[in-house]
Amino acid sequence: GAGVSQSPSNKVTEKGKDVELRCDPISGHTALYWYRQSLGQGLEFLIYFQGNSAPDKSGLPSDRFSAERTGGSVSTLTIQRTQQEDSAVYLCASSLRGPGEPQHFGDGTRLSIL
Amino acid sequence: KQEVTQIPAALSVPEGENLVLNCSFTDSAIYNLQWFRQDPGKGLTSLLLIQSSQREQTSGRLNASLDKSSGRSTLYIAASQPGDSATYLCAVMPGTASKLTFGTGTRLQVTL
Repeated sequence: GAGVSQSPSNKVTEKGKDVELRCDPISGHTALYWYRQSLGQGLEFLIYFQGNSAPDKSGLPSDRFSAERTGGSVSTLTIQRTQQEDSAVYLCASSLRGPGEPQHFGDGTRLSIL
Repeated sequence: KQEVTQIPAALSVPEGENLVLNCSFTDSAIYNLQWFRQDPGKGLTSLLLIQSSQREQTSGRLNASLDKSSGRSTLYIAASQPGDSATYLCAVMPGTASKLTFGTGTRLQVTL
């Protein structure tokens, strides 16, 4: 497809389980971002990948959160030992060369922790 | 720390009306400012991006202005249509050009 693709679109899991969220950016886009959108906090930056550089992880809320980007394309956000406060919509975006350009968003993964 | 505020939080207007959405930010050292729309259950769609050196950008019925010194941006929507109903978010990229800080959005409803 032409846009940013995220999977799964919805995920329900029990507290304490680990989850993996996937993002396929637009082909050729070198920059990839993860954000979290929750009712109480609005839209928050989590992590940013640019090419082969070390990612900017400054937005990750705890060490239970990690992300990787393989081959400069697909990215996976992993949340270990999920807590109820992790419930949110996780959005991925990509841009062609970097932060100075428009970011294109996927439809997100709605994560619910029971 | 950059803070971005959007007023009003919600707005309802009849079809055909022109309207203005407001965005203010506390740190004027920005790289660019972007306006997005978000439909329910969907991701964000980029509408306009204004670089820090620019004063405005236009796309169709949309016009966004930027006054960096006063920390303000406005999104003007001309001749509103029911299809414009969505949440509109502004986001600021800092001068270090790393990550966006988002406002809390304005929920717009355009009625027939």
